[in-house]
Amino acid sequence: GDSVTQMEGPVTLSEEACLTINCTYTATGYPSLFWYVQYPGEGLQLLLKATKADDKGSNKGFEATYRKETTSFHLEKGSVQVSDSAVYFCALNLDASGNTPLVFGKGTRLSVIA
Amino acid sequence: GAVVSQHPSWVICKSGTSVKIECRSLDFQATTMFWYRQFPKQSLMLMATSNEGSKATYEQGVEKDKFLINHASLTLSTLTVTSAHPEDSSFYICSAPRTSGRLGQYFGPGTRLTVT
Repeated sequence: GDSVTQMEGPVTLSEEACLTINCTYTATGYPSLFWYVQYPGEGLQLLLKATKADDKGSNKGFEATYRKETTSFHLEKGSVQVSDSAVYFCALNLDASGNTPLVFGKGTRLSVIA
Repeated sequence: GAVVSQHPSWVICKSGTSVKIECRSLDFQATTMFWYRQFPKQSLMLMATSNEGSKATYEQGVEKDKFLINHASLTLSTLTVTSAHPEDSSFYICSAPRTSGRLGQYFGPGTRLTVT
């Protein structure tokens, strides 16, 4: 079945360090790919998305490129801030109609220290 | 803009009582909504798919008689935890699809349930 695998956390970085959170997927078709962020005590917010191969999603300094050849969608940021501390979820959706739930990775907790 | 709200944001109840959690789509209609459960420091676990005007579809292992889902209108789905026990304490999150599945979903802010 469809699945998402993302790197285990927690990840602890100093402010202004570079961030990469790896995400790979297994899917029978051509999924849309997403990164969601969850701040402490809150629900999930869409961080960025990509709907086809070679698309690059970007938002708030974060980027991820849909790599079909490696079935990956790694999240990157060049300089993290303390406010980036959160849990990050990689997810996919095969259904263009949206009537099926997202398939989530297990989440990666990021802590950024000043 | 389009958002999903949940009410209450947190609730504490005594063991044996029932708790209702509301999930509303604001400024858009949602014929389908999803209910997730999240344990501390873990990922989201899909509990059920809520369908407007019909019965919910539950995931394997989720007790449908314990977690009652009603999707009575195009903007409201409710999850009722019946005869709650301490092991039902968790963070419950609902979501609704955007206009296209390729755009992802809108997530509610979550409801933290504590059963004492």
